[in-house]
Amino acid sequence: KNEVEQSPQNLTAQEGEFITINCSYSVGISALHWLQQHPGGGIVSLFMLSSGKKKHGRLIATINIQEKHSSLHITASHPRDSAVYICAALNYNTDKLIFGTGTRLQVFP
Amino acid sequence: EAGVVQSPRYKIIEKKQPVAFWCNPISGHNTLYWYLQNLGQGPELLIRYENEEAVDDSQLPKDRFSAERLKGVDSTLKIQPAELGDSAVYLCASSLGLRLNAGELFFGEGSRLTVL
Repeated sequence: KNEVEQSPQNLTAQEGEFITINCSYSVGISALHWLQQHPGGGIVSLFMLSSGKKKHGRLIATINIQEKHSSLHITASHPRDSAVYICAALNYNTDKLIFGTGTRLQVFP
Repeated sequence: EAGVVQSPRYKIIEKKQPVAFWCNPISGHNTLYWYLQNLGQGPELLIRYENEEAVDDSQLPKDRFSAERLKGVDSTLKIQPAELGDSAVYLCASSLGLRLNAGELFFGEGSRLTVL
């Protein structure tokens, strides 16, 4: 079992739909990252959080430390949101970043 | 301000040849990472630097891979000799530090290596 698991692996949506991507982890962490990677492109950091909720535009990230779970929400999804979304947990003890395998999102017009 | 700059973007070599990748992190970023990413998978850490010190190189295949970060700024990653299985994207990332207020990651565009 991976220390960081994401679901779903693949997600398709119609433009305008509300999207949720989930990330669960099994280790103690000091922070969790949400990253975005477009096909053939570099990786962009979306959020880094350790508690509560953060919002940036149409993106919202939440984390529940007790449940070891984080979610990334996209409101009013758009085709340009099509990308791979990756969560990465910073292990509190080792300072290692543990990456999930990513969620591939496709938003159709 | 320029982001993390990597070169070359693409490299095609024959097996057993050497190859080197270069990374210029964001100015002032103390932490520098080299990652390997295979198609459809998440990044895998090769080495992490804090300034010029390699603080985590446990996943670096030291028989053929080497890295350096002289003066704690630019870094190079070298493979010698390259093997077919080394074909991947090599990503460089930097951050001010690790912890919450400094740990936001900035990635370069990556160097795509193809070994024939």
